[in-house]
Amino acid sequence: DGGITQSPKYLFRKEGQNVTLSCEQNLNHDAMYWYRQDPGQGLRLIYYSQIVNDFQKGDIAEGYSVSREKKESFPLTVTSAQKNPTAFYLCASSITSTGELFFGEGSRLTVL
Amino acid sequence: KQEVTQIPAALSVPEGENLVLNCSFTDSAIYNLQWFRQDPGKGLTSLLLIQSSQREQTSGRLNASLDKSSGRSTLYIAASQPGDSATYLCAVESSYGKLTFGQGTILTVHP
Repeated sequence: DGGITQSPKYLFRKEGQNVTLSCEQNLNHDAMYWYRQDPGQGLRLIYYSQIVNDFQKGDIAEGYSVSREKKESFPLTVTSAQKNPTAFYLCASSITSTGELFFGEGSRLTVL
Repeated sequence: KQEVTQIPAALSVPEGENLVLNCSFTDSAIYNLQWFRQDPGKGLTSLLLIQSSQREQTSGRLNASLDKSSGRSTLYIAASQPGDSATYLCAVESSYGKLTFGQGTILTVHP
């Protein structure tokens, strides 16, 4: 089945630790995105990548890093520099021709 | 800077009612507008995508319209069912690859 797979679904982290969230897609989409969702707020863009080996900062990139070494994969690292990392993280990819966005099931990160 | 507002924030209706969810945006220079559904603790599911040159899109009991000049879109749900209960979000793409989301409308359809 084609789709976007995010792992882990739930993650707990101690303060000061870096964590990496995985996002894999088999839809053959060129563009991939990371969003953060907090209660009472809309989704906010962290990073996006329109092509392999290239990515751009979104609206809230501070404290996060990404890589795009393969078309299928777009991992997100939440670093210790992120002041408030507890959130629901959503990965997405899009069809270049239409812009239609498809999402994974999300990863919930909790900092203890 | 693009801003997207969804009204109402929450809506509760009895099963079988037709209903309308509203989405407004401040900058009419958009590529497209997309409606999504989100169930609790889950990712977003794409419902309808309207390109900037289109006026509406339909899928089953759902119909979405777009009026770029007034910065508005509506999502019409016909004959609502309890399974329609979810949060509905709209998003506009006003620069390539970057979407701005509204905060969503929480819909509850009770039997």
